[in-house]
Amino acid sequence: QSALTQPASVSGSPGQSITISCTGTSSDVGAYNYVSWYQHHPGNAPKLMIYEVSNRPSGVSNRFSGSKSGNTASLTISGLQAEDEADYYCSSYTSSSTLVFGGGTKLTVL
Amino acid sequence: QVQLQESGPGLVKPSETLSLTCTVSGGSIRNYYWSWIRQPPGKGLEWIGYIYYSGSTNYNPSLKSRVTISVDTSKNQFSLKLSSVTAADTAVYYCARRVYGDKLDYWGQGTLVTVSS
Repeated sequence: QSALTQPASVSGSPGQSITISCTGTSSDVGAYNYVSWYQHHPGNAPKLMIYEVSNRPSGVSNRFSGSKSGNTASLTISGLQAEDEADYYCSSYTSSSTLVFGGGTKLTVL
Repeated sequence: QVQLQESGPGLVKPSETLSLTCTVSGGSIRNYYWSWIRQPPGKGLEWIGYIYYSGSTNYNPSLKSRVTISVDTSKNQFSLKLSSVTAADTAVYYCARRVYGDKLDYWGQGTLVTVSS
């Protein structure tokens, strides 16, 4: 299985909105509504931010939202804050009952 | 609050077997799937595999020939064995709880395993 495709980096100024894309295939992202997003500050454990495409776990800010169209999922962060600076990974369930991650996107808050 | 903690040797010699254990506290290991994920230095996350508490498993096809994940419900633990390791297996290894589908909701802090002679 191939890793999902994410941009290597994105950036934005405080208060702005950014969107990170995650492109897969009809065997993973396009097959199910089982796409998650994780925030990873190096040295810490990854944190679940979005699951099942657009659901937020309890305690996650509503500034984080997810969506999907065809084989591409997206994470949008609105009202950017300094603490949002981190690496973000998407993941998807696949038709082989496995999981696959994206390559990761480094978010820089300018 | 569910907590996960990885344990095992931080240094493994090439061609040997990497062995790690994840201890689950604050909740039962039953009725969930349990995953291993790794992150090589400077690279992204890679899913290794998962096990259901009953023992059924599924592995990353690229690692399948070398990976075994097992569970011990009496100890609330699950384990990873990766055989014939090389320097490419050097990584931070995480364990996580998987809810059916895509959701990895609780993660351990991760443990660095270095493969070197």
